[in-house]
Amino acid sequence: SYVLTQPPSVSVAPGQTARITCGGNNIGSKSVHWYQQKPGQAPVLVVYDDSDRPSGIPERFSGSNSGNTATLTISRVEAGDEADYYCQVWDSSSDHPLYVFGTGTKVTVL
Amino acid sequence: EVQLVESGGVVVQPGGSLRLSCAASGFTFDDYAMHWVRQAPGKGLEWVSLISWDGGSTYYADSVKGRFTISRDNSKNSLYLQMNSLRAEDTALYYCAKGMGVVITGDAFDIWGQGTMVTVSS
Repeated sequence: SYVLTQPPSVSVAPGQTARITCGGNNIGSKSVHWYQQKPGQAPVLVVYDDSDRPSGIPERFSGSNSGNTATLTISRVEAGDEADYYCQVWDSSSDHPLYVFGTGTKVTVL
Repeated sequence: EVQLVESGGVVVQPGGSLRLSCAASGFTFDDYAMHWVRQAPGKGLEWVSLISWDGGSTYYADSVKGRFTISRDNSKNSLYLQMNSLRAEDTALYYCAKGMGVVITGDAFDIWGQGTMVTVSS
């Protein structure tokens, strides 16, 4: 089955840039979506189709995807960005297609 | 307001059955695919199942295939998950989520409910 690997944690100072990676075999050929989940809350879509932002998501959130790595970048990090972040793809490489979430990354704002 | 509200989560014994429901409002329900996603306590997100806008196509995670059945009633703006042969490892918060576009593959989930807790324990 398809595996998406994320670093367990990323720490960043306020105002700096956080980069969260999502590794998968030839992930650059897939559309990657990113979700933010704060404690006790449901996930929120922050980036879809590699680099598009839903309405209401700040421009500080951006995404890229190439080769074997997709990246979510949070610029000018704020305390309110502290959350778990998950990447997601649709894997149709086998005869049993399915959605896959990454392992998740906890972003800590120092 | 676009909203998804799950219900039906309870404590159930191993081997038991349960049906979860998700009531949708604020959007044209039968225009979109719908999904179930679960999260075990302290763990990450796990996609469970999806159903196309008309119910004609369904997909399942390997971990639930053959035990869970997803369905929808577009006349009631409702999504369901029938869960049979429940195991301890099915213990999780179950979210319903709306597909963002018209395709069922490769889509993002743009609206999520707050979840309903299922605990499988004797």
